[in-house]
Amino acid sequence: EVQLVESGGGLVKPGGSLRLSCAASGFTFSSYSMNWVRQAPGKGLEWVSSISSSSSYIYYADSVKGRFTISRDNAKNSLYLQMNSLRAEDTAVYYCARDLNIAAAGYDWGQGTLVTVSS
Amino acid sequence: QTVVTQEPSLTVSPGGTVTLTCASSTGAVTSGYYPNWFQQKPGQAPRALIYSTSNKHSWTPARFSGSLLGGKAALTLSGVQPEDEAEYYCLLYYGGAGVFGTGTKVTVL
Repeated sequence: EVQLVESGGGLVKPGGSLRLSCAASGFTFSSYSMNWVRQAPGKGLEWVSSISSSSSYIYYADSVKGRFTISRDNAKNSLYLQMNSLRAEDTAVYYCARDLNIAAAGYDWGQGTLVTVSS
Repeated sequence: QTVVTQEPSLTVSPGGTVTLTCASSTGAVTSGYYPNWFQQKPGQAPRALIYSTSNKHSWTPARFSGSLLGGKAALTLSGVQPEDEAEYYCLLYYGGAGVFGTGTKVTVL
């Protein structure tokens, strides 16, 4: 059974940093591209970042470019999101999601971790 | 900044048909944008329904179908069931970066 379990969320002050993790199991993690997607309270989905299976290709939404860094450790079956210079508008539930292939996004999703940016 | 626009809300009767659309601010949506569709119910993570315009996942009910319609990506629900009441999002890809649509709330009434 595929499992994606996010962790690392919490309350952080504006300007602060946080590192999210996503532990993957039930599939060959090193073979798939992975994504971070967020959802602010009561709002829609926002694609944040993606990383290819070997970390060769990395993409970011304009809203987080230069502040967030996506990475992965295939030996540990883990995906990460380093978030710096956090703003109130970064407050959201952050989901990690696996792509099946280049055309099939978000095949599997975690349950999300809540990040709250507030003073 | 690229914006992907969906109808904010649609209402459909049980057994009826409804079509949701997904428009790009950059112009016509083509298969090259790899349109994906997701369903999200309150308190749940999204669930993939359609990928690459019209392909269904193994769990996608037959009543859901995807297409390109008038320069937009489209999701059609035929023979709507009460359990189809949910928020629906499209996702388009622009050179590797994804952009979700604004979402459509489908009410079954």
